[in-house]
Amino acid sequence: DIQMTQSPSSVSASVGDRVTITCRANQVVTNRLAWYQQKTGQAPKSLIYSASFLKGGVPSRFSGSGFGTEFTLTITSLQPEDFATYYCQQYHTYPPTFGGGTKVEI
Amino acid sequence: EVQLLQSGGGLVQPGGSLRLSCLGSGLTLSTSPVSWVRQAPGKGLEWVSAISKTGGSTYYTDSVEGRFTISRDNSKNMVYLQLDSLRADDTAVYYCAKGEVASTYYFDYWGQGAQVAVSS
Repeated sequence: DIQMTQSPSSVSASVGDRVTITCRANQVVTNRLAWYQQKTGQAPKSLIYSASFLKGGVPSRFSGSGFGTEFTLTITSLQPEDFATYYCQQYHTYPPTFGGGTKVEI
Repeated sequence: EVQLLQSGGGLVQPGGSLRLSCLGSGLTLSTSPVSWVRQAPGKGLEWVSAISKTGGSTYYTDSVEGRFTISRDNSKNMVYLQLDSLRADDTAVYYCAKGEVASTYYFDYWGQGAQVAVSS
């Protein structure tokens, strides 16, 4: 199985800050990489697919980049509602696998 | 509004069984593959099982192969996960997740989750 490693595991930031989360795969996944947001007690929600495409309705302060084995999720101008845990997931190779998550604390 | 509405779950003894259901609302679920993803308490996300649009193909993670069964009834817009021979380490919140038509394992919509607790 492909291993997905996220860093940092947690980050403290203030409203208005820029936050960057990194996700690394131990094998090439091309651009088959998604990012999800999960708030406490809620289901995950899709933010980004194909590494850099924003799902409809997701605020433009979220962006994704990367290809191959290294990817980033950036949140510009952090908002209070962005307090959540963020997961990357590869869907290039079966079985799909998730990163361990990054908790963003405001 | 697209929603996946889950039901089922609960507390069961080791060795017991449960069935989870996932109903598509605001979408025709039969046009999409569907997976189940679970999250153990305080842990991350783990893919568990998937079913193709027609139900003709099913997939399982190794730890549940032979114990869990995924199925679907497209006439009812429903997907199911039958959990048998449950173990303590199956304790988790189980989410159904709709795969995108072009990418089975990119999950564009998720159900609200169902708690499964396995304990004596």
